[in-house]
Amino acid sequence: DGGITQSPKYLFRKEGQNVTLSCEQNLNHDAMYWYRQDPGQGLRLIYYSQIVNDFQKGDIAEGYSVSREKKESFPLTVTSAQKNPTAFYLCASSMAPAEHLGVNSVYEQYFGPGTRLTVT
Amino acid sequence: AQSVAQPEDQVNVAEGNPLTVKCTYSVSGNPYLFWYVQYPNRGLQFLLKYITGDNLVKGSYGFEAEFNKSQTSFHLKKPSALVSDSALYFCAVRDARRGSTLGRLYFGRGTQLTVWP
Repeated sequence: DGGITQSPKYLFRKEGQNVTLSCEQNLNHDAMYWYRQDPGQGLRLIYYSQIVNDFQKGDIAEGYSVSREKKESFPLTVTSAQKNPTAFYLCASSMAPAEHLGVNSVYEQYFGPGTRLTVT
Repeated sequence: AQSVAQPEDQVNVAEGNPLTVKCTYSVSGNPYLFWYVQYPNRGLQFLLKYITGDNLVKGSYGFEAEFNKSQTSFHLKKPSALVSDSALYFCAVRDARRGSTLGRLYFGRGTQLTVWP
């Protein structure tokens, strides 16, 4: 799981409560990502960030929020507006393409161990 | 639009036999292709990637993948399967066009590989 930590591993919450999932990386990566994994559906992108203080919505951003105040941290908040929050959440990071330098570099993403959130 | 299809939810092979996990993709430009493996309740581990050049890519743990542009496929292979290869395998694609969607990957639904003794 490399230099990416996610905490806690298991998280239980009551319906209607907001909850924040932690993601920290010490790989000096510029880009960070949040995915949701449900059985048989693969990985779906929630939010991603290529640089500090900037982030973009992925395919299923509704009911989630993020912040990127530090390069190494990208916390995800699951709000009460998320209708079906129970899932396995994965954080990932990668070097960002240095396209502004004219280099089309391609980097794989490194994943954390995941947080399993159960909301009842 | 970018997408990945893994047509088999489940692949079963005997230990020592060759294995293939299939992946087809759709992108507007040229593809960058990736394979990841996931063990139960763990994050994904990178196996290999295709960027350009030789169509046969070698990766970790004896896995390799063959890029076929005409068939838009990137099948994962291993000559001799091990019981410890049993896991969930994901194929992912990224559009190679510069600036395209800020480098995000599109994942398939995954294929569960089971290798029996």
